[in-house]
Amino acid sequence: QKEVEQNSGPLSVPEGAIASLNCTYSDRGSQSFFWYRQYSGKSPELIMSIYSNGDKEDGRFTAQLNKASQYVSLLIRDSQPSDSATYLCAVLSGGSNYKLTFGKGTLLTVNP
Amino acid sequence: EAGVAQSPRYKIIEKRQSVAFWCNPISGHATLYWYQQILGQGPKLLIQFQNNGVVDDSQLPKDRFSAERLKGVDSTLKIQPAKLEDSAVYLCASRTRVTGELFFGEGSRLTVL
Repeated sequence: QKEVEQNSGPLSVPEGAIASLNCTYSDRGSQSFFWYRQYSGKSPELIMSIYSNGDKEDGRFTAQLNKASQYVSLLIRDSQPSDSATYLCAVLSGGSNYKLTFGKGTLLTVNP
Repeated sequence: EAGVAQSPRYKIIEKRQSVAFWCNPISGHATLYWYQQILGQGPKLLIQFQNNGVVDDSQLPKDRFSAERLKGVDSTLKIQPAKLEDSAVYLCASRTRVTGELFFGEGSRLTVL
């Protein structure tokens, strides 16, 4: 069983729309949750982190966490063509070992 | 603050040859990770170091892959002998203790022919 699953892509949205990316995880003891953006041919870069249940907003990005449902999501408002990338959900678990496990990623395309 | 440094950026080898990748983490980051990312997939953890000790190497193919982190700073990942399926980007990352955030290097892209 995969530890971190993301909704299968690719996801295509028009410019200005809201893009919704979803992720579920299997380890109930997971502590921290991250969204990374990866442009083609580049390394992942952190865009959001969330540690407690609820919503966390940062500019056009909102991360949502529901530990009871083992579910994390990322909303991108007013999507721009520059948001076109693969979005990776990552979950930190393993107690003091701090093991970071990534999902497969969702490719987002924002059409002008 | 300097980021995570990796070299070489690109490497092309024949199958059964050997290759080594080098990583220098952000200064002060005790935890260092090597991930393998095959095209179209998410990064897969190969090995995790805490200072110069191995924390997790459960997904490292130990018959052909080896890694070390002498003196708890920079690290080397070696593949010998390489197989076609080892073609991937090898990402090194280091972690800040405070937030748990990982910072990635540019990656080393390996092509095995």
